[in-house]
Amino acid sequence: QVELVQSGAEVKKPGASVTISCKASGYNFTTYPIHWVRQAPGQGFEWMGIINPTDGSTSYAQKQQGRISMTRDTSTDTLYMELRSLRSEDTAVYYCVRRSVVWGVLTSYYFDFWGQGTLVTVSS
Amino acid sequence: DIRMTQSPSSLSASVGDRITITCRASLNIRTYLNWYQQKPGKAPKLLIYAVSSLQSEVPSRFTGSGSGTEFTLTISNLQPEDFATYYCQQTFSTIYSFGQGTKLEI
Repeated sequence: QVELVQSGAEVKKPGASVTISCKASGYNFTTYPIHWVRQAPGQGFEWMGIINPTDGSTSYAQKQQGRISMTRDTSTDTLYMELRSLRSEDTAVYYCVRRSVVWGVLTSYYFDFWGQGTLVTVSS
Repeated sequence: DIRMTQSPSSLSASVGDRITITCRASLNIRTYLNWYQQKPGKAPKLLIYAVSSLQSEVPSRFTGSGSGTEFTLTISNLQPEDFATYYCQQTFSTIYSFGQGTKLEI
């Protein structure tokens, strides 16, 4: 069965960096792009970026440009997201999500599998 | 960025009721509209993709409809496990965006 298993909760000080991992299993790792989204406490979702596991190409939210990096390791089917220069507003649960697509009369991209989430707390 | 607006923000209902949640997009997103259910402390779960396609193993009491800029999620015969927060999502633009959520309460 498809699974995305993320690394555990992190507590960081302002200005520090955090790296979250997301290990994929149960499907062909290079077939599906992976997005990262976050959800601040009691809030909605914010899209962070996307990585194509096939070639490692990425696209990031403009708001995060310069302090975010997404990478992958095809030998272990693991994705990584690094966020640098952390501030209190980065406190959130971060999710890796697999993106699927359906083509036809009704076409859409959609998130069919989610990691369990990683809570990152930024506090002095 | 495309803005997604859900209404209502919260909704009270009872087991057995039928409810409808509306999602409006700030521009035409064709059929690139999905619905998710989230329970406290859990990751969201995909319910419906491409406006009206039911994800595998999702009960048929969940239905989606709409096109362009206005979409609805209807839940018929509410069950206790349906009380959760529901989000719509557009994937028409490269920056996917979500509605702010609708909390369904007893």
